[in-house]
Amino acid sequence: AQTVTQSQPEMSVQEAETVTLSCTYDTSENNYYLFWYKQPPSRQMILVIRQEAYKQQNATENRFSVNFQKAAKSFSLKISDSQLGDTAMYFCALKGGGGADGLTFGKGTHLIIQP
Amino acid sequence: EPEVTQTPSHQVTQMGQEVILRCVPISNHLYFYWYRQILGQKVEFLVSFYNNEISEKSEIFDDQFSVERPDGSNFTLKIRSTKLEDSAMYFCASSELGIGEKLFFGSGTQLSVL
Repeated sequence: AQTVTQSQPEMSVQEAETVTLSCTYDTSENNYYLFWYKQPPSRQMILVIRQEAYKQQNATENRFSVNFQKAAKSFSLKISDSQLGDTAMYFCALKGGGGADGLTFGKGTHLIIQP
Repeated sequence: EPEVTQTPSHQVTQMGQEVILRCVPISNHLYFYWYRQILGQKVEFLVSFYNNEISEKSEIFDDQFSVERPDGSNFTLKIRSTKLEDSAMYFCASSELGIGEKLFFGSGTQLSVL
């Protein structure tokens, strides 16, 4: 069974600061994918960033980057120059190797950006 | 950007009633999913659907649940006899391909069972 653990239920930082959200996971798959999803108060799930496990290079999307440590099964999200609109729940998710496999989500981290 | 559309956005029903939640995935997508999120909890996988059949389902997806793609555009989730604990936000998602592909989520249907 796959598991995803997010150990920070809530984090709060000042606008323009950098913040890192942690995520660890467990899977027996060799080929898998990791994701960070953002869920604002509207509750829509929005993909922030995606990492393919076979790629060593960390994924980057504008102000968002990941630190993927495959041996440690760690997948943290770094948000640089945080903005008020980044306030949301952030979910780490894992997808196994099967084409139709569902995502396994962590419990989420509530990130609050203070003005 | 193309969107996954879900209707209705809110549904209130009485315990024991049947409900059908509707989704229109993105037109060229081949994989379809239902997830649910009980308020304050994590998002949970229910079922995946590919090539007109269920590919995978979770323990949550028991005999009370069924999915259907009745035509070329709609993808539905039916709950046969709703229970109080079925109250949740239900998300539909789709992806063009399977492995590792970006899942596009709809805005969700908030189901309240009274």
